[in-house]
Amino acid sequence: DAKTTQPNSMESNEEEPVHLPCNHSTISGTDYIHWYRQLPSQGPEYVIHGLTSNVNNRMASLAIAEDRKSSTLILHRATLRDAAVYYCILRALNSGGSNYKLTFGKGTLLTVNP
Amino acid sequence: GAGVSQTPSNKVTEKGKYVELRCDPISGHTALYWYRQSLGQGPEFLIYFQGTGAADDSGLPNDRFFAVRPEGSVSTLKIQRTERGDSAMYLCASSLIPDNEQFFGPGTRLTVL
Repeated sequence: DAKTTQPNSMESNEEEPVHLPCNHSTISGTDYIHWYRQLPSQGPEYVIHGLTSNVNNRMASLAIAEDRKSSTLILHRATLRDAAVYYCILRALNSGGSNYKLTFGKGTLLTVNP
Repeated sequence: GAGVSQTPSNKVTEKGKYVELRCDPISGHTALYWYRQSLGQGPEFLIYFQGTGAADDSGLPNDRFFAVRPEGSVSTLKIQRTERGDSAMYLCASSLIPDNEQFFGPGTRLTVL
């Protein structure tokens, strides 16, 4: 599976935007970029995913570089409840054609200051 | 609606004992996954079920680990002759179909003394 690189930690202030970067220089043409987050003492939860175009949903936005070698998860107004570990994951197609497996790295620990 | 549930939430056992961890996926989800998460690390894939069959068990660390999903719904992860190195959070997830987003349960914290 293609690897991703994320900063170990980031800090933000409440009500401010947060830009969480992810590098994936070895991404292949069929890899989707997924983001999950894990709040303290909970299982991970899906945030957003994309292939080439930027994506928006109620939780966040995903900005994908034109060469797809990097992406940025954008939280438009951070709240204390957004404090979590954020994982950037590439979902690769396996030989059977089903990209079911999630390969997590260590993620970025986001601290939100009141 | 109800999310993925896992029982027990915590399990403390002694080295050498047998343990079973249960996962109740979201109703109607055909795909079910088990992951293991050590402290400070991201979750690691263990096994994937499509329906009743284990479609990929490549992440199981050794033959002490086994999982079943006999009726295509509830799954049980079984660990024989537990070792201290098995201590971790065991997470279960389900998805409607394999390529969709995965919904995770709260996990079972296993401690082997």
